[in-house]
Amino acid sequence: NAGVTQTPKFQVLKTGQSMTLQCAQDMNHEYMSWYRQDPGMGLRLIHYSVGAGITDQGEVPNGYNVSRSTTEDFPLRLLSAAPSQTSVYFCASSYSGARRDEQFFGPGTRLTVL
Amino acid sequence: AQSVAQPEDQVNVAEGNPLTVKCTYSVSGNPYLFWYVQYPNRGLQFLLKYITGDNLVKGSYGFEAEFNKSQTSFHLKKPSALVSDSALYFCAVRAPTSGTYKYIFGTGTRLKVLA
Repeated sequence: NAGVTQTPKFQVLKTGQSMTLQCAQDMNHEYMSWYRQDPGMGLRLIHYSVGAGITDQGEVPNGYNVSRSTTEDFPLRLLSAAPSQTSVYFCASSYSGARRDEQFFGPGTRLTVL
Repeated sequence: AQSVAQPEDQVNVAEGNPLTVKCTYSVSGNPYLFWYVQYPNRGLQFLLKYITGDNLVKGSYGFEAEFNKSQTSFHLKKPSALVSDSALYFCAVRAPTSGTYKYIFGTGTRLKVLA
């Protein structure tokens, strides 16, 4: 199993540009989520999904869109990048049932918005 | 509102000594509590969780954590620290009564184990 994969590893954008951060998992996990990690602020939940076709907002959803058309993929879209979105982004997934709370994290995408 | 506090930005401990990384929480109802570890340039790795039952939970790599409801704490412990334990540690909480799977993470504590 590759686990949770994220692409790209690094990205530099200009203000106003759009892009999609990719996340995929090959463990047939139902739950997937996106977090951003900023210095001194820990991880903050952006969006999450409890299954294909179902998404919901987390703590800091503004400026980000998600969709979940398949179990495996959970892309995060930045429609118009802003410097405040400079961060490290982590995708996570977990099983259903008793192990739902044990999240597996991808290696992260470091995004800089100029 | 749910919240998690990790009062120490950094903890230094000598190799072979016991270590404690502190975490306190605020949540409605009975909390689900978690510890994760992050090594440099890596994603977080799950260490352990408290859902219900015994207040002392054991996890990966010899770590354990003690749930204390009266003090609303969930401190991470290890009897004998290794240099390889040096990493960033995150405490997290979920309120199951909220009906959602929203996790709140603390700001992290950097553990440095000195040889």
